[in-house]
Amino acid sequence: DAGITQSPRHKVTETGTPVTLRCHQTENHRYMYWYRQDPGHGLRLIHYSYGVKDTDKGEVSDGYSVSRSKTEDFLLTLESATSSQTSVYFCAIGKDRPYEQYFGPGTRLTVT
Amino acid sequence: GDSVTQMEGPVTLSEEAFLTINCTYTATGYPSLFWYVQYPGEGLQLLLKATKADDKGSNKGFEATYRKETTSFHLEKGSVQVSDSAVYFCALSSNTGNQFYFGTGTSLTVIP
Repeated sequence: DAGITQSPRHKVTETGTPVTLRCHQTENHRYMYWYRQDPGHGLRLIHYSYGVKDTDKGEVSDGYSVSRSKTEDFLLTLESATSSQTSVYFCAIGKDRPYEQYFGPGTRLTVT
Repeated sequence: GDSVTQMEGPVTLSEEAFLTINCTYTATGYPSLFWYVQYPGEGLQLLLKATKADDKGSNKGFEATYRKETTSFHLEKGSVQVSDSAVYFCALSSNTGNQFYFGTGTSLTVIP
């Protein structure tokens, strides 16, 4: 157990509304990630962070932004949710060498 | 770029059958290789790992050997149980940075 929590665990929202998902870790790891999981696509990286205020884009970053003002929290924001962003979102932390990743329980987001 | 390809599913086996899930990779340098397991409604859990060529990772009766000559990391188990029903993901982390690349997942169902 890497001490990762995600909130909310489930959310239903309407198209066009802003949504923020939170990932919290208790072990002070430098690396944190946001993925989305969709049938037929596996896991796709949205954004990642390598330290406070240090973030970078992944392969599917359009429509998403992130912030990391504290080591323990990594926020994912959908500025204006669309139906294509309906998905399960997973947060992960990364341990250094050999770079193992550990995942949170996920957030199921439905955009209607 | 780095990538992972794993066998398509779904896979259905009878209890006590032998399991193989194929995984091949493309990477520069010397990646670390991983198998993750995802049970229904949960996040991904690290199942086993190997960090250099010819290493064998093992856990809960599952094994995988890092084969650099064939760029493979196939998952095997000698006798599956109903409780092994899950989705299995092959992954690699490049040693040039803390990014992971996941396969699309293979769904396994074990029937009594």
